[in-house]
Amino acid sequence: EVVLTQSPGTLSLSPGERATLSCRASQSVSSSYLAWYQQHPGQAPRLLIYGASSRATGIPDRFSGSGSGTDFTLTISRLEPKDFAVYYCQQYGSSPITFGQGTRLEIK
Amino acid sequence: EVQLVQSGAEMKKPGESLKISCKASGYSFPSYWIGWVRQMPGKGLEWMGLIYPGDSDTKYSPSFQGQVTISADNSNNTAYLQWSSLKASDTAVYYCARRGDFSFGVIPFDYWGLGTLVTVSS
Repeated sequence: EVVLTQSPGTLSLSPGERATLSCRASQSVSSSYLAWYQQHPGQAPRLLIYGASSRATGIPDRFSGSGSGTDFTLTISRLEPKDFAVYYCQQYGSSPITFGQGTRLEIK
Repeated sequence: EVQLVQSGAEMKKPGESLKISCKASGYSFPSYWIGWVRQMPGKGLEWMGLIYPGDSDTKYSPSFQGQVTISADNSNNTAYLQWSSLKASDTAVYYCARRGDFSFGVIPFDYWGLGTLVTVSS
């Protein structure tokens, strides 16, 4: 099983700042099948990034994904108030599909 | 418009059975995988399993194999998640989500239902 470790656990930033979230895999993620999701309290997750760097439909270009192998990054270039949420990475290249434990992005 | 509409909240007692549903619309139901994801109170996301309605191919997470059954009915575009004997630890929100496998690659869970809250308590 591929274990995903996200860091930091909580990130405190201000609107307008840049956020960098990390996801490290215990083994190489097959075909860079790494996704990022955003979840607000009481809502379903929303797909942001798939294939490590492809933005999902309707996702603004201030969200970008990068990385390969075992190290992946989600960058939000200029934080807006609606970006404060919990972010999860997910690998779907091997079974079982696994999620990271999440990074909480909070307003400083 | 793609939609996944999940059945309503359930309150059950330990040992009871339950089947929750996820009705799809706006796309070809047989041609996309449907996955189920558990979120326990205040916790993260856990993948439970996938079903491909086109041929009923089903994959389970080892953590959930034997604990739940995933099925689909193409005649009404609906996927199901069921338990034969609930435990208090099954209390969680359960999400269904669509996944597409294409020649160029896989698009993981791009559409999600709103979730079904299952509460198991004596």
